[in-house]
Amino acid sequence: EPEVTQTPSHQVTQMGQEVILRCVPISNHLYFYWYRQILGQKVEFLVSFYNNEISEKSEIFDDQFSVERPDGSNFTLKIRSTKLEDSAMYFCASSEGVLGMGEQYFGPGTRLTVT
Amino acid sequence: QKEVEQNSGPLSVPEGAIASLNCTYSDRGSQSFFWYRQYSGKSPELIMSIYSNGDKEDGRFTAQLNKASQYVSLLIRDSQPSDSATYLCAVDLSGSARQLTFGSGTQLTVLP
Repeated sequence: EPEVTQTPSHQVTQMGQEVILRCVPISNHLYFYWYRQILGQKVEFLVSFYNNEISEKSEIFDDQFSVERPDGSNFTLKIRSTKLEDSAMYFCASSEGVLGMGEQYFGPGTRLTVT
Repeated sequence: QKEVEQNSGPLSVPEGAIASLNCTYSDRGSQSFFWYRQYSGKSPELIMSIYSNGDKEDGRFTAQLNKASQYVSLLIRDSQPSDSATYLCAVDLSGSARQLTFGSGTQLTVLP
């Protein structure tokens, strides 16, 4: 069964450093997403991406964040200058996008720890 | 403020019983509703989607939607210890199905 994959599973970085989190969405899916979950808190939407551009983004997704689809399979989230409060699980998701009703399938997540 | 509300629990049911999980949402324009299961330390796993008023059944799971009351629920029949997890209600509050808002989740424990 096709699934979303994410690398790395755990990333440790120092405050102020740049990190890139990588995702491979399900191959026939057209919409891609990033969510985050701070330990013990809700899953929060960050951004959705379609046709090589951002479709929607939340208030969390400020200028420190960017997304890219550098090739036909990968989807990346970049955090330019990490802060302690960026420590969280980051989940990539994808959906087919048919008729605007998209069941979103999540990857296993990347645990980001900022020290 | 657009919200999705769930009872945080914990909810405990004996093995074989019916577990009932509830969720309310704030935006009448919402069109898509999802239930995810999340085991501790893992990612959300989609178990049900529902888009129309009424019931939708899939195996031991039944999702119920009442848009007039802005209420969605999940019933788990013949609960098993392996169903012990946090159940997340997710709603497309924007109406675009591109931005899910999650509730805080209900922690379910099924006692053997």
